[in-house]
Amino acid sequence: DAKTTQPNSMESNEEEPVHLPCNHSTISGTDYIHWYRQLPSQGPEYVIHGLTSNVNNRMASLAIAEDRKSSTLILHRATLRDAAVYYCILRDGLAGGTSYGKLTFGQGTILTVHP
Amino acid sequence: EAGVAQSPRYKIIEKRQSVAFWCNPISGHATLYWYQQILGQGPKLLIQFQNNGVVDDSQLPKDRFSAERLKGVDSTLKIQPAKLEDSAVYLCASSLDPGMNTEAFFGQGTRLTVV
Repeated sequence: DAKTTQPNSMESNEEEPVHLPCNHSTISGTDYIHWYRQLPSQGPEYVIHGLTSNVNNRMASLAIAEDRKSSTLILHRATLRDAAVYYCILRDGLAGGTSYGKLTFGQGTILTVHP
Repeated sequence: EAGVAQSPRYKIIEKRQSVAFWCNPISGHATLYWYQQILGQGPKLLIQFQNNGVVDDSQLPKDRFSAERLKGVDSTLKIQPAKLEDSAVYLCASSLDPGMNTEAFFGQGTRLTVV
C-alpha cells in the first residue's frame, strides 16, 4: 500500500487558516488523495479528495503538488468544531486492481484549535 | 439519506466469550468495510466486501474473527473467542462503489470492552 506521512499534531487559533501537510512520495498514477477527519467519539467523515488538480468544497480546499508527491489540506477559517484527527489516505482508483478502493488509515494529524 | 447503522453501540464481555456486531450500510452501497480502532490509533481495515464477495481480508485474524455479508446488504462481524487485546471500537463503512469519485460513510462504531 502506498504510504502517507503526516505530522503527529498541529495547533491553530480559531478563525485562522490551517494548512495540514501530507507527503506521499510513492504515490502511483491511479491513486487518489483522500482526506478524512475523526471528531472525538465519532466515526471518520469524508472531507475532500482529488487526483491532480486543486479541489474546493464547502469544508476545505485541497492543494496538490505538481509532482503529486505531497498535498495540503486547507481549512480557511478554523473553528473549535474542526478540532479532530485528520487522515490523509491514498485510494487506488484502478478498477480490478488488488487494492481497488482500499482505504488505509495511518496515524493522522491531531489538530488542536485554540479559542 | 439514512447513514450507516451499527449495533450495539457498546458491549462488555469476558475473555473467551463470543460477540457479534451488526452493520446496515447505506442503501445501494456495493462496498462495505469493517475496521478495528484501538484507542490512540488510526482505524485498521479488517475486511472489505464488494457486494457479498470478499475483496480484502488480509488483516483479519481468521482464527477468531469472521465476517459475512448476506445478499450483499447487511453484514455481521463475529469474534470467537474474544481476547483482552480485542478491546477496541469496531467501525463499519460503506461506499457506493470503490471508485475514485465516491466517498466512504462511517457508522458510529461499536465500542467493545473485553474483561
